Amino acid sequence: DGGITQSPKYLFRKEGQNVTLSCEQNLNHDAMYWYRQDPGQGLRLIYYSQIVNDFQKGDIAEGYSVSREKKESFPLTVTSAQKNPTAFYLCASSVRDRFNSPLHFGNGTRLTVT
Amino acid sequence: GQQVMQIPQYQHVQEGEDFTTYCNSSTTLSNIQWYKQRPGGHPVFLIQLVKSGEVKKQKRLTFQFGEAKKNSSLHITATQTTDVGTYFCAGRGNAGNMLTFGGGTRLMVKP
Repeated sequence: DGGITQSPKYLFRKEGQNVTLSCEQNLNHDAMYWYRQDPGQGLRLIYYSQIVNDFQKGDIAEGYSVSREKKESFPLTVTSAQKNPTAFYLCASSVRDRFNSPLHFGNGTRLTVT
Repeated sequence: GQQVMQIPQYQHVQEGEDFTTYCNSSTTLSNIQWYKQRPGGHPVFLIQLVKSGEVKKQKRLTFQFGEAKKNSSLHITATQTTDVGTYFCAGRGNAGNMLTFGGGTRLMVKP
């Protein structure tokens, strides 16, 4: 079955440490995205990538970094510069962003930083 | 920048009652998408509306896109406990920019 895999489901880190969240898709989608969701709130776009080796900042990119070395993979690093990193992180992909295609989401990673 | 507001934030209904969530954009949208997120789950795409005044139905769910393409609604007839979850709208502006999500409406259904 095709889909998006995020790992791990739960992640705990100490303040001051960088942490990388994994996102892999086998849907052959060109575009991939990272969203952050806080309790009772909508989804806010962190970074997106429409093609390999290219990515763009979203609305809340500060304190985060990404890479897109392979079509299938779009890892997100939460750096120590992110002031409030505890959140639910969702990775998504789509066929092609500009053609109004729907987003397919992974199951998410819940990050807790103490 | 583009803002998408969604109301209400929460809604408790008795099973069998109807439910509506409203989505309003600060700018004209080229299209709007709706997603459902079950408790503890991830958002799942429901539908996309593109045309002004468009109405689409999926069983008990009716989706509308306003004539001015700045608002949308999702109406559920005779809610069931399986409808529980948070419903998000997400709009895309005419400049082809990224989707902007509304804050979501959390639906709770009492059996």
